[in-house]
Amino acid sequence: AQTVTQSQPEMSVQEAETVTLSCTYDTSESDYYLFWYKQPPSRQMILVIRQEAYKQQNATENRFSVNFQKAAKSFSLKISDSQLGDAAMYFCAYNGYGQNFVFGPGTRLSVLP
Amino acid sequence: GAGVSQTPSNKVTEKGKYVELRCDPISGHTALYWYRQSLGQGPEFLIYFQGTGAADDSGLPNDRFFAVRPEGSVSTLKIQRTERGDSAVYLCASSLTGGGKLAEAFFGQGTRLTVV
Repeated sequence: AQTVTQSQPEMSVQEAETVTLSCTYDTSESDYYLFWYKQPPSRQMILVIRQEAYKQQNATENRFSVNFQKAAKSFSLKISDSQLGDAAMYFCAYNGYGQNFVFGPGTRLSVLP
Repeated sequence: GAGVSQTPSNKVTEKGKYVELRCDPISGHTALYWYRQSLGQGPEFLIYFQGTGAADDSGLPNDRFFAVRPEGSVSTLKIQRTERGDSAVYLCASSLTGGGKLAEAFFGQGTRLTVV
């Protein structure tokens, strides 16, 4: 079974600075998808960024980018120019074709003014 | 509707009672997922539907939990003889397909279940 690990229960960053959230996963499959979801106090899970495993190029969405290392099974999220609105729980998730999404335990990000 | 809708948003029930939680997925989405989330933890998989059938129900904790999706759209999660340990936020998500390029899951706002 696939597992997702996030080793940082909590992180903090100064407003306008850069922060990196870590994620590792375990799978025997070669084709899959990885996601970062954000969950603010409202409970609504919001997709931040996604990466297809067959693509070597790291995904980027505005201030959010990933460092995908397939061989190491690592998928970190970098948030640049952090904003107060970025404060939330961040979950790393794995999805294999035709399977459920497997989530990590989450990292609580605080943004300090 | 435009997004995944879950009702009720909050439910308080007495221990031993039966509850039903409803999920309206995004129109046209064939995949539907139920998760349970305890405070400060990540979503825990319960069941995954592809169309009307349960493609994977390995996450259901015991036989008190059951879910249906009779017409391949709305789904209902049913919990019998509720226990205080069932208290959690129950999240529903839908996806256009069950994986592949359109695998993104869209989530509802969840139902907070409290068993007293």
